[in-house]
Amino acid sequence: AQKVTQAQTEISVVEKEDVTLDCVYETRDTTYYLFWYKQPPSGELVFLIRRNSFDEQNEISGRYSWNFQKSTSSFNFTITASQVVDSAVYFCALSERQGAQKLVFGQGTRLTINP
Amino acid sequence: AAGVIQSPRHLIKEKRETATLKCYPIPRHDTVYWYQQGPGQDPQFLISFYEKMQSDKGSIPDRFSAQQFSDYHSELNMSSLELGDSALYFCASSLRTGGPLEQYFGPGTRLTVT
Repeated sequence: AQKVTQAQTEISVVEKEDVTLDCVYETRDTTYYLFWYKQPPSGELVFLIRRNSFDEQNEISGRYSWNFQKSTSSFNFTITASQVVDSAVYFCALSERQGAQKLVFGQGTRLTINP
Repeated sequence: AAGVIQSPRHLIKEKRETATLKCYPIPRHDTVYWYQQGPGQDPQFLISFYEKMQSDKGSIPDRFSAQQFSDYHSELNMSSLELGDSALYFCASSLRTGGPLEQYFGPGTRLTVT
């Protein structure tokens, strides 16, 4: 069965600090996909990134970076030089290659960036 | 770029009433998903359709049903509404066949049952 765990329920930092959101997953599939979504206070779910299980290369997009490590089943998300607009709930999610590829979400981490 | 469209954005119903939520996927996307997000919860998968056929079913109550039409739009029908059905309902679409697999979400329909 698939499972995603985001142990950090809430994180609060001061603007310009770096912050890392943790994500640990469980799956029996050898081929799977990992995602991060952002849910700002307005409520929509915004796609941030997708990683394939066979591609462990880390990725950087502006102030965002992702560290995928299969050995520890983790897919962590770092925001560098955080800004108030980064305040949101962030969800890590997993889908397996077989079947309908539904997303299984973690519990989410509420990130608050204080000015 | 076109996004997933959901209507209505807000809906208030009384217990035991019926509600219909509509979803219009991104053009050329072949898969539609429905998720339910309760207050302070993560989204939970309800049901999905691939090329207008039901492809997977999650924790969807028997009181709910859904279908995808020939123009690829989908409707989630909810009957005998209960207070616990109050939630944000998301529709998402993706291009499963030869596509990047990302699910793009609509803005959601906030259902309040009183």
